[in-house]
Amino acid sequence: AQSVTQLDSQVPVFEEAPVELRCNYSSSVSVYLFWYVQYPNQGLQLLLKYLSGSTLVKGINGFEAEFNKSQTSFHLRKPSVHISDTAEYFCAVRETSGSRLTFGEGTQLTVNP
Amino acid sequence: EPEVTQTPSHQVTQMGQEVILRCVPISNHLYFYWYRQILGQKVEFLVSFYNNEISEKSEIFDDQFSVERPDGSNFTLKIRSTKLEDSAMYFCASNRDSRNEKLFFGSGTQLSVL
Repeated sequence: AQSVTQLDSQVPVFEEAPVELRCNYSSSVSVYLFWYVQYPNQGLQLLLKYLSGSTLVKGINGFEAEFNKSQTSFHLRKPSVHISDTAEYFCAVRETSGSRLTFGEGTQLTVNP
Repeated sequence: EPEVTQTPSHQVTQMGQEVILRCVPISNHLYFYWYRQILGQKVEFLVSFYNNEISEKSEIFDDQFSVERPDGSNFTLKIRSTKLEDSAMYFCASNRDSRNEKLFFGSGTQLSVL
């Protein structure tokens, strides 16, 4: 079984500041890692994913994440946020042999002017 | 980009009543899923469906739940006799391939059981 922990339920930042949303996971088997974003009144959208290869992955909207196997982390970063990045962000894992996603609790990112 | 469509966006029902949540997955997708999120809790997997049968289900998905693809375009989740604890946001999702890492989610149906 897998589990995902997002350490911050809410992250307020000012526009153009950098941000990091933290995610740690545990699993006894190999997993793929994902970040999804949910804007108000919309479904979850895939931001980025780590399947294999380079541990630094780039996604949409200027976000990137780094897979750290030794620390079992997959933190999401953006060097300069916009008001439009205000949303809920979910970290998720999936067994490499499975189809079920296991989600973290979500982090509400609020970007203030 | 194509979208997964869910209706209604909000459903209110009395405890013990049956509800059907409807989803229209993306047309060339073959794998279909339901997830739910109880207020303040994690998004949880309920069930996956392929080739007109359940391929995987979670412990939450008991005999009160069923899924169906009645007409080749809709994908429904039925709760036979709703309980207060079924109140949640229910998300439908689909993809072309179960190994495909990109799941497309609908915007959800907020189910309130009174």
